[in-house]
Amino acid sequence: NAGVTQTPKFQVLKTGQSMTLQCAQDMNHNSMYWYRQDPGMGLRLIYYSASEGTTDKGEVPNGYNVSRLNKREFSLRLESAAPSQTSVYFCASSYGGGPGLTEAFFGQGTRLTVV
Amino acid sequence: AQSVTQLDSQVPVFEEAPVELRCNYSSSVSVYLFWYVQYPNQGLQLLLKYLSGSTLVESINGFEAEFNKSQTSFHLRKPSVHISDTAEYFCAVSDYGGSQGNLIFGKGTKLSVKP
Repeated sequence: NAGVTQTPKFQVLKTGQSMTLQCAQDMNHNSMYWYRQDPGMGLRLIYYSASEGTTDKGEVPNGYNVSRLNKREFSLRLESAAPSQTSVYFCASSYGGGPGLTEAFFGQGTRLTVV
Repeated sequence: AQSVTQLDSQVPVFEEAPVELRCNYSSSVSVYLFWYVQYPNQGLQLLLKYLSGSTLVESINGFEAEFNKSQTSFHLRKPSVHISDTAEYFCAVSDYGGSQGNLIFGKGTKLSVKP
């Protein structure tokens, strides 16, 4: 099993450019999440999707949009990238009830640099 | 609101020495507690968790953590570390009364095991 797959692994954007980070899971999980990881900050939740067809804001949603395309896929879009969005982005999934109730499985991350 | 404090950002230790990574949390409600490990250039993996029952929980690779409600702590310990334990460790808390059981992460502790 691949688990949680994120693409791309690395990306460099210019300020103002847009891009979409892709995430897919093959574990038949109901819930999916996007986190960002910054040095000394731990992980912070950007958006989550409790089930197919629903999305909700997390701690740091500004500047991002998400789409739960189907049960497997959950994408994160930056409409107009800013240097403050330079970070490592992780997608995660869990069976249900949130990552604090059942084990969360993480992708390998996307390292994004905005110049 | 919940919060997690990992008291040490970096812990250097020699191989075969014992180690303790400290984690304190604050919450006004009952919680679930987790330790995740992140090896270099990888995503996070669940190391162990406390949901209920015995306050001492163990992982398959020799780590253990003890939930101490009175001290609001969930310290991670290993009696003898290996080079392969070099990684960043994240403590996380979730309140099982909240919607989606969102995980709140600490800022991480980098464990460096030296030969």
